[in-house]
Amino acid sequence: DAKTTQPNSMESNEEEPVHLPCNHSTISGTDYIHWYRQLPSQGPEYVIHGLTSNVNNRMASLAIAEDRKSSTLILHRATLRDAAVYYCILKDSNYQLIWGAGTKLIIKP
Amino acid sequence: GAGVSQTPSNKVTEKGKYVELRCDPISGHTALYWYRQSLGQGPEFLIYFQGTGAADDSGLPNDRFFAVRPEGSVSTLKIQRTERGDSAVYLCASSRTSGTSTDTQYFGPGTRLTVL
Repeated sequence: DAKTTQPNSMESNEEEPVHLPCNHSTISGTDYIHWYRQLPSQGPEYVIHGLTSNVNNRMASLAIAEDRKSSTLILHRATLRDAAVYYCILKDSNYQLIWGAGTKLIIKP
Repeated sequence: GAGVSQTPSNKVTEKGKYVELRCDPISGHTALYWYRQSLGQGPEFLIYFQGTGAADDSGLPNDRFFAVRPEGSVSTLKIQRTERGDSAVYLCASSRTSGTSTDTQYFGPGTRLTVL
C-alpha cells in the first residue's frame, strides 16, 4: 500500500489559515487522496478527498501538486474546534484505509 | 440523520473475562468495519463486513477475537479471555459502498476498553 508522510504536529493561531502538508511520492495513478480528522475523544470524521484537481467543500480545501506527489489540506480560518489529528490517506479500490500517525494540529487562541 | 453508534462507550473488565462491543451502522450502509486504536496511533484495521459476511478478517489479532453481523446491520465484536494488551479504543465505521477509490467511511465514537 502506498504510504504518506506528515509532520507529527503543527501549531497555528485561531482565525488564521492553516496549511497541513502530506507527502505521497509513491502514489499510483488511480489512488485518491483522502483526509480524515479525529477530534479529541471522538471517532475519525471524513474531511475531503481528491484525485488531481484542487477540491473545496464546506470544511476545507485540498490542493494537489501537479505531479501528485504531495498535497496540502487548507483550513481557511482555523477555530479552536479544528484542533484535532489530521490523517492523509491514499485510497485505491481496496476497501481498507491505511492510517499513519497523522498530524496533531494545535490551535492557539 | 443518525450516525454510527457504539455501545458501551466505556467498558472496564478484568483479565480473562469475555466482552461484547456493539456497533449500529448508518441505515442502508452495506459495508461495516472494525478498527482498534491505541493511544497516539492511527486506527488499525480488524475486520470488514460486506452485508452479513466477513469479507476480510485478516486484521483480527488472534482467535480470541470474533465479530458477527447476522442480519447485515448491527455488528458485535466479541473478545474472549481478555488480556491487558487488548485495552484500546475500538472503532466501528460504515460506508454506503465499498471497493471504490471514493468510498467514505463514517465512524462511531468508539468504545474504550480497559482490561485490568
